[in-house]
Amino acid sequence: SQQGEEDPQALSIQEGENATMNCSYKTSINNLQWYRQNSGRGLVHLILIRSNEREKHSGRLRVTLDTSKKSSSLLITASRAADTASYFCATDAGDYKLSFGAGTTVTVRA
Amino acid sequence: NAGVTQTPKFQVLKTGQSMTLQCAQDMNHEYMSWYRQDPGMGLRLIHYSVGAGITDQGEVPNGYNVSRSTTEDFPLRLLSAAPSQTSVYFCASSYSNREFYGYTFGSGTRLTVV
Repeated sequence: SQQGEEDPQALSIQEGENATMNCSYKTSINNLQWYRQNSGRGLVHLILIRSNEREKHSGRLRVTLDTSKKSSSLLITASRAADTASYFCATDAGDYKLSFGAGTTVTVRA
Repeated sequence: NAGVTQTPKFQVLKTGQSMTLQCAQDMNHEYMSWYRQDPGMGLRLIHYSVGAGITDQGEVPNGYNVSRSTTEDFPLRLLSAAPSQTSVYFCASSYSNREFYGYTFGSGTRLTVV
């Protein structure tokens, strides 16, 4: 069964706005990862945050992790049309079985 | 550096036919895996391998076989195709030290079983 659940399922924002999506999971993890998938393409790894980290940045991306609440958030700042994609969180419990949520579809309007 | 290469990109099978989806990586990754992606769902793990000669089942292994004879290749075999196996299949690989590295995905194989 899927470990992670993203919220919201879909998000539509204006170019230049920030986009925030959340991920909740059920069991203990070693790390949590975020991936982007453009329509009809494979997944691209964006950022990995380990269980002993609380926040991580990469360019316009900011990820937080709250292991006590079993939740993570991904913030994309100053969104661009090229950020239009589906975003997935994936949890690694250390058992070689990366578990994905159903994803958040982000549409950035020009 | 090609990354993860999947072939074919598209395939149509008749019910009952068998076929092999190919996956190759040139990054010397120890870990490789197969996922399927269905509309409105995330990726579900089919099989995975932590090294040559070692494979194990994921969440949805029924109807699929794998083998790992080399570090580079991890083919997925459909034994007797069924319409329920219509999906997009992704191969992914990673270093065994997954505390620091994410997975590299192939571009996918879109399979239709009629």
